[in-house]
Amino acid sequence: GAVVSQHPSRVICKSGTSVKIECRSLDFQATTMFWYRQFPKQSLMLMATSNEGSKATYEQGVEKDKFLINHASLTLSTLTVTSAHPEDSSFYICSARQAANTGELFFGEGSRLTVL
Amino acid sequence: AQSVTQLGSHVSVSEGALVLLRCNYSSSVPPYLFWYVQYPNQGLQLLLKYTSAATLVKGINGFEAEFKKSETSFHLTKPSAHMSDAAEYFCAVNAKTSYDKVIFGPGTSLSVIP
Repeated sequence: GAVVSQHPSRVICKSGTSVKIECRSLDFQATTMFWYRQFPKQSLMLMATSNEGSKATYEQGVEKDKFLINHASLTLSTLTVTSAHPEDSSFYICSARQAANTGELFFGEGSRLTVL
Repeated sequence: AQSVTQLGSHVSVSEGALVLLRCNYSSSVPPYLFWYVQYPNQGLQLLLKYTSAATLVKGINGFEAEFKKSETSFHLTKPSAHMSDAAEYFCAVNAKTSYDKVIFGPGTSLSVIP
């Protein structure tokens, strides 16, 4: 099956710094990638839809200036958490769709962000 | 609009017993339906999917689910639970006319008692 790789798997940073998380589709081209946030013991919350070559579409309530998303190529999308604060600590998961006609998503391994 | 509900945030079964995880969906158009499993601190893995072919769908690790349009349900079952099945399970829906969004249910945590 399709493989999506996410890096780093864990990151700890100081409050006020920025952190970048990468999401790569290893064996397929993904015109659309999705970024989710997951709080402990909760479901996945869609943050934004990342489209290659265009601006990301953010869900209501998600600060686009806080969570910068770039989808520069068909195999790479990045999420940058700018000026991170402890409340940004969470599990961030990316996913990619291999084919547009099934809706099936392939997920990265997730990135655990801890902001001190 | 689409939505997913999962009855029971936590389910416990004995090893070897039947596993039944419930999922009901709401969609204004015919949906694609999915079950994903998540182990601690990991991403999600697809168990099975319904894409309008057979209503009884078989997935990995012995799981299967049946799409029942009249009940708007897509319950997940496994005849005999194994210790390795303990995980978080998410039901998800994607309307066929809205490929951009997959909506996840709140999840059900499955515990398997030896």
